[in-house]
Amino acid sequence: AQTVTQSQPEMSVQEAETVTLSCTYDTSESDYYLFWYKQPPSRQMILVIRQEAYKQQNATENRFSVNFQKAAKSFSLKISDSQLGDAAMYFCAYRSAEGGSEKLVFGKGTKLTVNP
Amino acid sequence: EAGVTQSPTHLIKTRGQQVTLRCSPISGHTSVYWYQQALGLGLQFLLWYDEGEERNRGNFPPRFSGRQFPNYSSELNVNALELEDSALYLCASSLGHQPQHFGDGTRLSIL
Repeated sequence: AQTVTQSQPEMSVQEAETVTLSCTYDTSESDYYLFWYKQPPSRQMILVIRQEAYKQQNATENRFSVNFQKAAKSFSLKISDSQLGDAAMYFCAYRSAEGGSEKLVFGKGTKLTVNP
Repeated sequence: EAGVTQSPTHLIKTRGQQVTLRCSPISGHTSVYWYQQALGLGLQFLLWYDEGEERNRGNFPPRFSGRQFPNYSSELNVNALELEDSALYLCASSLGHQPQHFGDGTRLSIL
């Protein structure tokens, strides 16, 4: 079974600075998807960024980028120019690319605080 | 375009009661997923429905069940409620292998 580990329960960053959230995962599959979701206090889970395992190029979405290290099974999220609105719980998630297993496996989350 | 909608927003029940939660997917999405987010346990996969059929089930007892209707909306039913069922229940939808998009959730409190 796949597992996702986020080793940082809480992180803080100064506004306008850069922060990196860590995520590691365990799987025996070669093809899969990885995601970062953001959950603000309003509680809706919002997709931040996704990465297909077969793509070597790291995904980027505006101020958000990932460092995907497939051999190390590592998938970290970098937030540049942090803004107060980035404060939220961040969840790393894994999804198999094999048919019949569409569920997301989530890490425990990292609570990000942004200080003005 | 409307996102995933869930109802009700909040629900308070007592032990032993039954509850039904509802989810409407994004228009065009055929898959609906249910997750439980309990305090300290993170998000746990409950059920996956696609084209009206249950495709996969998480490690939850049979008193958690659901269904998907021809319009792709879905219900999650929980029978014989227990204190540990208190959680935020999140519904997500997707089309094929596209990313899942989540609703705001239903907060269920068991007294």
